[in-house]
Amino acid sequence: QLQLQESGPGLVKPSETLSLTCTVSGGSISSSSYYWGWIRQPPGKGLEWIGSIYYSGSTYYNPSLKSRVTISVDTSKNQFSLKLSSVTAADTAVYYCASGPGQTTVTTSWGQGTLVTVSS
Amino acid sequence: SYVLTQPPSVSVAPGQTARITCGGNNIGSKSVHWYQQKPGQAPVLVVYDDSDRPSGIPERFSGSNSGNTATLTISRVEAGDEADYYCQVWDSKNVFGTGTKVTVL
Repeated sequence: QLQLQESGPGLVKPSETLSLTCTVSGGSISSSSYYWGWIRQPPGKGLEWIGSIYYSGSTYYNPSLKSRVTISVDTSKNQFSLKLSSVTAADTAVYYCASGPGQTTVTTSWGQGTLVTVSS
Repeated sequence: SYVLTQPPSVSVAPGQTARITCGGNNIGSKSVHWYQQKPGQAPVLVVYDDSDRPSGIPERFSGSNSGNTATLTISRVEAGDEADYYCQVWDSKNVFGTGTKVTVL
């Protein structure tokens, strides 16, 4: 059973870059059995997909965020990461790292979530 | 862009059946997944590919999908089913529904 754990700063200043890492246990980040992704949820609001990366290296991003988002994998640490540049208060949210079976879009594993607040 | 519309809230008495709809253009041609989210917790997958259940999810949770509407049905509702529920499809990107709060009376 995969376990995911987010880590990173809980406070980011406007115009700076939000950086989060997800540590994976119970499975290999290099496996074709999984995809890796990020989903966020502003306080009191619904879920918003940020993007996903697949075994092939292909990445898919939400068009509304694409110009600011990078998702990458670090196989040496069994981690994947999210970078979101030029943040504003609208990027304040709980950020979840997530995973599912490779070649699918369903999310079967979620991290516990981490609140990131954008404020000066 | 593709929009998934859910009713903001559904109220149901214990032991009764709750039906949560997810409306989208020709959604019947897509695979729909459903998630349950309780306050302060990460979502949990309860139905995938329209009507399949992950292991550990009670048979009381079922799904269907046809035309422009997908439906999550919760039979014999229990107090522990009180949560927000989201549908999700892929349409060139992952799209989540607006979410439905299920209240058990």
